[in-house]
Amino acid sequence: DAKTTQPPSMDCAEGRAANLPCNHSTISGNEYVYWYRQIHSQGPQYIIHGLKNNETNEMASLIITEDRKSSTLILPHATLRDTAVYYCIVRVEAAGNKLTFGGGTRVLVKP
Amino acid sequence: EPEVTQTPSHQVTQMGQEVILRCVPISNHLYFYWYRQILGQKVEFLVSFYNNEISEKSEIFDDQFSVERPDGSNFTLKIRSTKLEDSAMYFCASSLSGGEWDTQYFGPGTRLTVL
Repeated sequence: DAKTTQPPSMDCAEGRAANLPCNHSTISGNEYVYWYRQIHSQGPQYIIHGLKNNETNEMASLIITEDRKSSTLILPHATLRDTAVYYCIVRVEAAGNKLTFGGGTRVLVKP
Repeated sequence: EPEVTQTPSHQVTQMGQEVILRCVPISNHLYFYWYRQILGQKVEFLVSFYNNEISEKSEIFDDQFSVERPDGSNFTLKIRSTKLEDSAMYFCASSLSGGEWDTQYFGPGTRLTVL
């Protein structure tokens, strides 16, 4: 999969927006950006994905830069339950249908 | 909302024993996956399965591992002779298609402890 780079950790204040960056400078044309999160040792939870356009759903917004070399996941109003490890994953067609997880960003939402 | 379920939630076994981990994927999904996560490490892909065949497997998925869809609803991972290093969380996932545009949904996991 195309490599992604995320900060290892970040803190966020409860009720504020959390902006999680991800660099994927080697991404190419048809590769999708996916975001998952993992709370404690639970199964990874799908958040959102996109190709070129910005996307929004009930959980988050995904902003992808025009050159697609980076993206930002936005949690609009972080709650304590959003404390988790967030993974940015670029899916590569040539890599088959597996997901390759990196280390992610450990997000701590503080009261 | 449909979800992937896994049983048992925790399995304890002795080294050398066989274990079977069970998963019920989302009902209309056609692609099935197993991943594992050793404590403190990354989530790692093990195998993908489609149309009753393995479509892709990782180096981890050696001859000790096998997968099966024994009926129309269950998807199983068997470890023939467990080793201490097989202790991990095992996650099942499913997707409607195998394309990179399609989302994989994960189950809650089975914690396997090998003593």
